[in-house]
Amino acid sequence: AAGVIQSPRHLIKEKRETATLKCYPIPRHDTVYWYQQGPGQDPQFLISFYEKMQSDKGSIPDRFSAQQFSDYHSELNMSSLELGDSALYFCASSFQDVLYEQYFGPGTRLTVT
Amino acid sequence: DAKTTQPPSMDCAEGRAANLPCNHSTISGNEYVYWYRQIHSQGPQYIIHGLKNNETNEMASLIITEDRKSSTLILPHATLRDTAVYYCIVRVAGNYGQNFVFGPGTRLSVLP
Repeated sequence: AAGVIQSPRHLIKEKRETATLKCYPIPRHDTVYWYQQGPGQDPQFLISFYEKMQSDKGSIPDRFSAQQFSDYHSELNMSSLELGDSALYFCASSFQDVLYEQYFGPGTRLTVT
Repeated sequence: DAKTTQPPSMDCAEGRAANLPCNHSTISGNEYVYWYRQIHSQGPQYIIHGLKNNETNEMASLIITEDRKSSTLILPHATLRDTAVYYCIVRVAGNYGQNFVFGPGTRLSVLP
């Protein structure tokens, strides 16, 4: 079965640079969630989109922005990168935002040097 | 903040049942309990969810107490590949929708 696709899988950036992470949800899923997992930490919810509209916002820094496009894929844009942004970034998708289980992608490992 | 509490770690012998408890004493009547697991640095994997009835699927069983204040995830025949961090999650109401709050979870070690 098709799964959530994230690209790139690994990304190395320098401080103050920008990065764009992409997420392609499971076909027919209309909701996308972004999570950040720092080293040794639990995943933290950043932001979610349902039918191309932002549905909720968690602990996402102002330097980050995201959107969901007409084909339901989503991009997380990160600017003015800091060392502390080094983490695994997971995207998850579901069918509708309420009650349904979320399916996670393999993650993008971002390293900021 | 997470609305659940779990033991930080548990061991289980390979082939035996693993019973992972979760306390969610403040759960509301219409909130579901979800279980996910994360095998080292992989994306969290959905296991099962339930409201008030016990649930079973090909991966696990979920037993929810009658008062819904706690639940137990049961892996009937644990294997080494079940070693992971297991998260019990009650969706937390956000500004517009319902968020998953992970953590801290139970680190299950299945021993040979």
